[in-house]
Amino acid sequence: SYELTQPPSVSVSPGQTASITCSGDILGNKYACWYQQKPGQSPVLVIYQTSKRPSGIPERFSGSKSGNTATLTIRGTQAMDEADYYCQAWDSSTEDVFGTGTKVTVL
Amino acid sequence: QITLKESGPSLVKPTQTLTLTCTFSGFSLSTSRMGVGWIRQPPGKALEWLALIYWDDDKRYSPSLKSRLTITKDTSKNQVVLTMTNMAPVDTATYYCAHRREGSSGYYIFDSWGQGTLVTVSS
Repeated sequence: SYELTQPPSVSVSPGQTASITCSGDILGNKYACWYQQKPGQSPVLVIYQTSKRPSGIPERFSGSKSGNTATLTIRGTQAMDEADYYCQAWDSSTEDVFGTGTKVTVL
Repeated sequence: QITLKESGPSLVKPTQTLTLTCTFSGFSLSTSRMGVGWIRQPPGKALEWLALIYWDDDKRYSPSLKSRLTITKDTSKNQVVLTMTNMAPVDTATYYCAHRREGSSGYYIFDSWGQGTLVTVSS
């Protein structure tokens, strides 16, 4: 089965840039999306179609992809961005796959 | 506005069958490219996709859990039901249902989620 691998944790200072990677063969020709999950809350979609933001998501969130690696970037990180982040992709052979998750800590 | 809410038992015994219901509003499961999925999350662990049902009754399952899962829909009641057989303590998790959107350019997302329901498997 396919896997999407993320770093377990990322630390960032307030106002700085946080980058979270998501790697997996499934990403080669598929779109990635990203979810933010704060403690005790349900996931919220923050990026879809690799680089698009749903309405209501701040511009400081952006997404990109190169080869088999997708990246979520948070510019000007704020304390409210401290959360777990999951990537997700779909493929006809594996269906939906979620990443292993990354805990973003704003120090 | 799309809303979803999960309901079902909070405690099941090992070997029992779990039945969860997702009741939703704000969309119709008879609309093209719409779907409802189930995702679970064990305490402190990552999200895991379980199953999905589309507007045309197409059903998809996690390959690793396919033999234990059944997903159905009742369009008139705006409900989707997931059953999971032979429950074990490792199935203890928060179970979410979510609205599935399929974009015309080929993206697949869960753009609205329920609040989740914690299911504990214990004797």
